[in-house]
Amino acid sequence: NAGVTQTPKFQVLKTGQSMTLQCAQDMNHNSMYWYRQDPGMGLRLIYYSASEGTTDKGEVPNGYNVSRLNKREFSLRLESAAPSQTSVYFCASSELGSSGYTFGSGTRLTVV
Amino acid sequence: QQQVKQSPQSLIVQKGGISIINCAYENTAFDYFPWYQQFPGKGPALLIAIRPDVSEKKEGRFTISFNKSAKQFSLHIMDSQPGDSATYFCAASIGNFGNEKLTFGTGTRLTIIP
Repeated sequence: NAGVTQTPKFQVLKTGQSMTLQCAQDMNHNSMYWYRQDPGMGLRLIYYSASEGTTDKGEVPNGYNVSRLNKREFSLRLESAAPSQTSVYFCASSELGSSGYTFGSGTRLTVV
Repeated sequence: QQQVKQSPQSLIVQKGGISIINCAYENTAFDYFPWYQQFPGKGPALLIAIRPDVSEKKEGRFTISFNKSAKQFSLHIMDSQPGDSATYFCAASIGNFGNEKLTFGTGTRLTIIP
């Protein structure tokens, strides 16, 4: 099925550990995004990539880094996880003429 | 700083009733206003969208009403069904060229009771 694939679906980290969230899309979209979803706060943009080779900070970039590995893949890295990064992370992609953002099914991350 | 304010946070509506969710924005440069629907365990999916050159857009039981002067827009779900139970997010962006950054509201958890 065409769409956005995120891995892993669930992850528990200890404070200070690092990890990379993976995202891949097979729709040939140019733009990709990472959002975090927290209760009562909606979806907040962490980083985005308007096209292959470019990345820019969103609303809440502190504590995160991203890599646009190629047109298909956009990864999000937590270098030193903190409890405040406990959240559900969504990757999305979009393209001119596409029907809005296509979101992945999310990664639920708990930092203890 | 919440650029898109959404209310209510939660809403319970009887089957067959009208569900209404409201959003207000501050940035007058916003010119694209989509609504996303999210079921538990899933990512949000585009439901319906409007541009400010029209005051209303209808798709089936879903209608967006837009008031440019008040900087407000709302989602109306007519004849609400249990299958409509989900979290709804309004959003706004500048442009809709496939690379715009969406600013989301805080979400409304809608429950339709039989």
